[in-house]
Amino acid sequence: AQSVAQPEDQVNVAEGNPLTVKCTYSVSGNPYLFWYVQYPNRGLQFLLKYITGDNLVKGSYGFEAEFNKSQTSFHLKKPSALVSDSALYFCAVSPLHTGKLIFGQGTTLQVKP
Amino acid sequence: NAGVTQTPKFQVLKTGQSMTLQCAQDMNHEYMSWYRQDPGMGLRLIHYSVGAGITDQGEVPNGYNVSRSTTEDFPLRLLSAAPSQTSVYFCASSSPGTSYEQYFGPGTRLTVT
Repeated sequence: AQSVAQPEDQVNVAEGNPLTVKCTYSVSGNPYLFWYVQYPNRGLQFLLKYITGDNLVKGSYGFEAEFNKSQTSFHLKKPSALVSDSALYFCAVSPLHTGKLIFGQGTTLQVKP
Repeated sequence: NAGVTQTPKFQVLKTGQSMTLQCAQDMNHEYMSWYRQDPGMGLRLIHYSVGAGITDQGEVPNGYNVSRSTTEDFPLRLLSAAPSQTSVYFCASSSPGTSYEQYFGPGTRLTVT
């Protein structure tokens, strides 16, 4: 079965420190990979995507993600966290040409001053 | 562009009642999807459509019906509401031209008592 795993329910970091939110997937072929963010009582906002090419992709708000094909991972990173980054983050995978998204269960990022 | 719109924002139903959640997009996207979000489970695909007149089931289709008579609209019908359908529902649209990046509506919070 196709699946996406975010192994940490919550990640806590201090403001100014680097952050990583982990994601691994089990989807056949070369899927498209996405990160979305959700602020309280809001919809989902797109952060970044990997389609092909450079394994490090840059997105909105200073976030980036590293694709590792051998480990089937797509970890979200930011060099210096802000308190305003505190939110719920979702990794999602789209099997090729399906238009569907398979989501991980989400990771709550808490950035403390 | 309004993007993806959903109505209503909130709804309370009694067990056994039926209702339709509305979704519309003005981006001429071919693909549209319905997801439900439950705590700790991420977003799960209910139904999706790859074009007008074409729909298919996702991961959790039971208790829901969809149809797609136009490119713009993709309503989700609850046939006989159950407490297990209490959730937040998101509609999304995408296109091969956007590498299947999904644009989400603001969501409908449904409570079934």
